[in-house]
Amino acid sequence: AQKVTQAQTEISVVEKEDVTLDCVYETRDTTYYLFWYKQPPSGELVFLIRRNSFDEQNEISGRYSWNFQKSTSSFNFTITASQVVDSAVYFCALSEPDMIYNQGGKLIFGQGTELSVKP
Amino acid sequence: GAGVSQSPSNKVTEKGKDVELRCDPISGHTALYWYRQRLGQGLEFLIYFQGNSAPDKSGLPSDRFSAERTGESVSTLTIQRTQQEDSAVYLCASRRQPNTEAFFGQGTRLTVV
Repeated sequence: AQKVTQAQTEISVVEKEDVTLDCVYETRDTTYYLFWYKQPPSGELVFLIRRNSFDEQNEISGRYSWNFQKSTSSFNFTITASQVVDSAVYFCALSEPDMIYNQGGKLIFGQGTELSVKP
Repeated sequence: GAGVSQSPSNKVTEKGKDVELRCDPISGHTALYWYRQRLGQGLEFLIYFQGNSAPDKSGLPSDRFSAERTGESVSTLTIQRTQQEDSAVYLCASRRQPNTEAFFGQGTRLTVV
């Protein structure tokens, strides 16, 4: 069955520290997609990154980087030199193609990790 | 439209009443999703639509919950005989392709008193 686990419920760091948010997933498919979203205190969900199961190349975008490891079914997210504005809840998500329609399929989220960055 | 639009943004209802929540997805997005987010909790999958069909409605908590989508566009989530535990933010999202990100609306905050 499709499942996403974010074992870290809350993380608190001091500004400029690096922090890694863990995401472990379970899927029966060889083709799937992984996502990270940010939910700041205002509540809207902001898309950060997507990754397909055939692309294990790590990605860096400014202070953000992602480490995709198929061998351990993990898709971890690192924020370098954290800032107060990074304080938010971060969600990892998994999507498997729909077997019938070969379309988007179910999109499942982990429970989220609440990151608090203190000045 | 430019983004996913949900209405109403806030709804307060009395226990036992029925409510309807509306979602207008981004034009051309074939997949539409409903989630429930209780205070301080994660996103709980409810149902998703591909076109007007719902291949997966496994997340609907009980038969008091139902949803439909028409014209491959607007979707309505209906909760009958609301209970206090239904209080939450209900989020709608849509996406165009299976390998693309989902775009979320601002949510409907439902309070059952």
